Amino acid sequence: TQLLEQSPQFLSIQEGENLTVYCNSSSVFSSLQWYRQEPGEGPVLLVTVVTGGEVKKLKRLTFQFGDARKDSSLHITAAQPGDTGLYLCAGGGAGKSTFGDGTTLTVKP
Amino acid sequence: SAVISQKPSRDICQRGTSLTIQCQVDSQVTMMFWYRQQPGQSLTLIATANQGSEATYESGFVIDKFPISRPNLTFSTLTVSNMSPEDSSIYLCSVEERKRHEQFFGPGTRLTVL
Repeated sequence: TQLLEQSPQFLSIQEGENLTVYCNSSSVFSSLQWYRQEPGEGPVLLVTVVTGGEVKKLKRLTFQFGDARKDSSLHITAAQPGDTGLYLCAGGGAGKSTFGDGTTLTVKP
Repeated sequence: SAVISQKPSRDICQRGTSLTIQCQVDSQVTMMFWYRQQPGQSLTLIATANQGSEATYESGFVIDKFPISRPNLTFSTLTVSNMSPEDSSIYLCSVEERKRHEQFFGPGTRLTVL
């Protein structure tokens, strides 16, 4: 069974601060996705990374896939209240996707 | 990306009754899934909805409790049968872009069982 562990589970910061969320596994994934979910909505895909060592940027969000394709990180620069939500990583491989435990981010104005 | 709608968006039901949730996709998709999610928590896969055949259930979920239909490549239903308060949750359907394992989710159905 492939497992994905996210840390931290909860994060509460002030507007303007930086943060990093981690997604770790002992398994290798062919691709890894990051999703953000706001209350009352379904998760929305932010990015897919597929190559070991790959770095992708989406405005103030930077995503990195580990060299061995077992882990990933999401870094947010100068967080804003609109970044508040549940962040989920998911790994794709042979079979169904595996979802991480989730990180609940609250950005206070 | 696929656009997915779910009905109802929320419902409050009595113990012992059943609720059927509908999921409609705006394009034909091969892979369709049903998830359960407690507020603020991650997703738990209930089953894969297979077109033209029985759904594939995950450990801990059975067809008698969560019957699923998939009559075509754009539509599926999930029924939560003989409900108890423990079934109170958010139920989400999703579709997957197979090659990159990207999933697209419906808005969810928030179920409360009294």
